[in-house]
Amino acid sequence: SQKIEQNSEALNIQEGKTATLTCNYTNYSPAYLQWYRQDPGRGPVFLLLIRENEKEKRKERLKVTFDTTLKQSLFHITASQPADSATYLCVLPFSGGYNKLIFGAGTRLAVHP
Amino acid sequence: GAGVSQTPSNKVTEKGKYVELRCDPISGHTALYWYRQSLGQGPEFLIYFQGTGAADDSGLPNDRFFAVRPEGSVSTLKIQRTERGDSAVYLCASSPQLAGGDTDTQYFGPGTRLTVL
Repeated sequence: SQKIEQNSEALNIQEGKTATLTCNYTNYSPAYLQWYRQDPGRGPVFLLLIRENEKEKRKERLKVTFDTTLKQSLFHITASQPADSATYLCVLPFSGGYNKLIFGAGTRLAVHP
Repeated sequence: GAGVSQTPSNKVTEKGKYVELRCDPISGHTALYWYRQSLGQGPEFLIYFQGTGAADDSGLPNDRFFAVRPEGSVSTLKIQRTERGDSAVYLCASSPQLAGGDTDTQYFGPGTRLTVL
């Protein structure tokens, strides 16, 4: 079955540094991959989408890479700020499913001043 | 503009009781999704509506769970004979389901935290 793996341990970094989160997936060749942010007590919020034919995508301080050979996506936040502290979810569409999404368990990021 | 809203924000019930959870999607969004999120896990797909009809209910765990969207807007998730294992945050999301689009962004509500005692 389709599986998404994200580091379950929290990532602690210092303000101003670059945070890098990893998403690995198996048994799957998705047409695209998304990253969402989730704050405690809130629903997930869409951040970025990258298609299988795109190697990299950027949005302000965010950068996502998508390696379909390694079946891996990396999510980077440059010049991190305490306000970036949240859980980041890697999301793939179900095989053959329009917008039916599979969510990873997420990695919690804590940016310290 | 208004986002997706869900009511109640918290629901505590006793084992065996019936509960209804409500979702008000963003106006004009034709697609509506229900997810369930347990502590430390990502949201898990339950059911997808396109308009009034349930296009895919394959994520509903059993026949105690049922959802409706009678007028293509508000949706209600209904759980009969609740069990302690049903305790989780139930999230609703909507998307505009753009014509020919395969990558609609889903907009999530804040969720309803259900606790079954």
